[in-house]
Amino acid sequence: DVKVTQSSRYLVKRTGEKVFLECVQDMDHENMFWYRQDPGLGLRLIYFSYDVKMKEKGDIPEGYSVSREKKERFSLILESASTNQTSMYLCASSRDRVQPQHFGDGTRLSIL
Amino acid sequence: QQQVKQSPQSLIVQKGGISIINCAYENTAFDYFPWYQQFPGKGPALLIAIRPDVSEKKEGRFTISFNKSAKQFSLHIMDSQPGDSATYFCAANSGGGADGLTFGKGTHLIIQP
Repeated sequence: DVKVTQSSRYLVKRTGEKVFLECVQDMDHENMFWYRQDPGLGLRLIYFSYDVKMKEKGDIPEGYSVSREKKERFSLILESASTNQTSMYLCASSRDRVQPQHFGDGTRLSIL
Repeated sequence: QQQVKQSPQSLIVQKGGISIINCAYENTAFDYFPWYQQFPGKGPALLIAIRPDVSEKKEGRFTISFNKSAKQFSLHIMDSQPGDSATYFCAANSGGGADGLTFGKGTHLIIQP
């Protein structure tokens, strides 16, 4: 069974802090994704990666960056956290371009 | 610009009834249409998916109907059960699935016993 693990379920940070959200998958998947989920807005794609050290912008990349140094790990970075980045963050992975995406259980991030 | 429009926002169905959730898309390049189910405190889980070369796909009590000319697709849950109570998201993407998904805003489904 595919497992996508997000390092924290809940995280509280302060405005201006640099925040790291970590995601690890254990199935040797090629593709990894970061989404944010907000009530009434559904899930929106922030960044994705189809290979180590490769990244592509999604629909809402502003204020975020990502890092993929190893195949199994994909990090989302908030360079200078702001209150409008308070949200649920979901990581996903897929084996290749024709396989479905599998999601982690999310990190609920609060920026105070 | 919202590329996948989902309705209704919330839905209450009696146990044993049929739950129907609709989605419409704008981007004709979309070629993969999954439905995800999400329970509170959990990430979305793939329920069923369809590609535009077929008009219908059925897996157990769950059926996707797809209308390419109308750019619409829908999820039907037959014999709805209280355990089906969850939030459902339709989604779409192009490029065979390598790219990120574009999601609808979700439908909160409640099945009353």
